[in-house]
Amino acid sequence: TQLLEQSPQFLSIQEGENLTVYCNSSSVFSSLQWYRQEPGEGPVLLVTVVTGGEVKKLKRLTFQFGDARKDSSLHITAAQPGDTGLYLCASEDRSSNTGKLIFGQGTTLQVKP
Amino acid sequence: ETGVTQSPTHLIKTRGQQVTLRCSSQSGHNTVSWYQQALGQGPQFIFQYYREEENGRGNFPPRFSGLQFPNYSSELNVNALELDDSALYLCASSSPGRVWDTQYFGPGTRLTVL
Repeated sequence: TQLLEQSPQFLSIQEGENLTVYCNSSSVFSSLQWYRQEPGEGPVLLVTVVTGGEVKKLKRLTFQFGDARKDSSLHITAAQPGDTGLYLCASEDRSSNTGKLIFGQGTTLQVKP
Repeated sequence: ETGVTQSPTHLIKTRGQQVTLRCSSQSGHNTVSWYQQALGQGPQFIFQYYREEENGRGNFPPRFSGLQFPNYSSELNVNALELDDSALYLCASSSPGRVWDTQYFGPGTRLTVL
């Protein structure tokens, strides 16, 4: 079973700073999804990356998929308190034929005003 | 909002009891997956229901069971509760056509086992 490792596990920064969160695997991803989860809520899909080397932007968030499709990063520019939450990367387990998602352990981001 | 609802929001049980959690999928979705999320961790796949049949199971014991109804809503049942079952239980529904299409998560049920 594919394992996803995220780093860092916890990040506390001031408003306006930049940050990068990483997601790595020893196996090749078929595709990779990034979610944000706020307290008391379920994960909300931010983006899906599929092609090696792909870069997607969502306002101040930039998502990158590694050329070999074994790693991905999420970069936030000028973080705001509203960005606070748990950021999760996830990949489909294609061996199960269920669309089951395998999640990383998450990065908890706290942005202080 | 994803259109996926779960009930109850919070639940407190004691060891050995049984619990039933409910999920209403987004309109038109025929697939429901259940996940367990321990505090500070990513969600872990419990099982999936597709057109009322179990369609895959994660590494969870048989005391975790489920149902899907003709309207595609779903239940998760846990028997003989253990302290380690304390977690946020999430359901996610998927659109028809592909079993593994984008999954939309509900807000979860927070279960505390004392």
